[in-house]
Amino acid sequence: QSVLTQPPSASGTPGQRVTISCSGSSSNIGSNTVNWYQQLPGTAPKLLIYSNNQRPSGVPDRFSGSKSGTSASLAISGLQSEDEADYYCAAWDDSLNGHVVFGGGTKLTVL
Amino acid sequence: EVQLVQSGAEVKKPGESLKISCKGSGYSFTSYWIGWVRQMPGKGLEWMGIIYPGDSDTRYSPSFQGQVTISADKSISTAYLQWSSLKASDTAMYYCARRWDYYDILTGYSEYYFDYWGQGTLVTVSS
Repeated sequence: QSVLTQPPSASGTPGQRVTISCSGSSSNIGSNTVNWYQQLPGTAPKLLIYSNNQRPSGVPDRFSGSKSGTSASLAISGLQSEDEADYYCAAWDDSLNGHVVFGGGTKLTVL
Repeated sequence: EVQLVQSGAEVKKPGESLKISCKGSGYSFTSYWIGWVRQMPGKGLEWMGIIYPGDSDTRYSPSFQGQVTISADKSISTAYLQWSSLKASDTAMYYCARRWDYYDILTGYSEYYFDYWGQGTLVTVSS
């Protein structure tokens, strides 16, 4: 049981826009920034979104993040086949002495 | 270029000890926390703990406290994760990752995220 809650799966067709939600509490998402990681099949996780809505250099602007209260979401527009991956949200948790908590992950399938 | 290079895959028997490594390059190794993350087969990411190589300050997730030991040798820019007695349930991929920190003392605003990841070390424990 992960501290942050994500849907286990999501899907879309090429070109569509999909969103993945991440729900937490006042001690994590409610009081700290949210980060998103993309894990392509057979590879290490990669930072996709940091500080709620910032993209690292090299990440396409098709990816965007937002946060409101104790929830966050990742949006992918213009879905492409190479976006098929697992996506994880994460935040630091003040109730756990500043430890990081991850969501359970969402497997995105491009139909 | 920032890189974290982890040691190779390991196959061990239950009860054996193991130490895997994560070597940083391309940045000041002593100035950033290094975290360890477990991913069991077909499962999600679990944070295990973190170390600051500059002074070896170490924090553990309650789930992993007492189960593993995290250490670092700043002279060779390498962090370690070790087990004294492996169990079959330790079978997993293990990732190290560098943590980016930002804290504004005036506003209390902070940002923490893992910006660079190692390639992972697969540990298989089987009799």
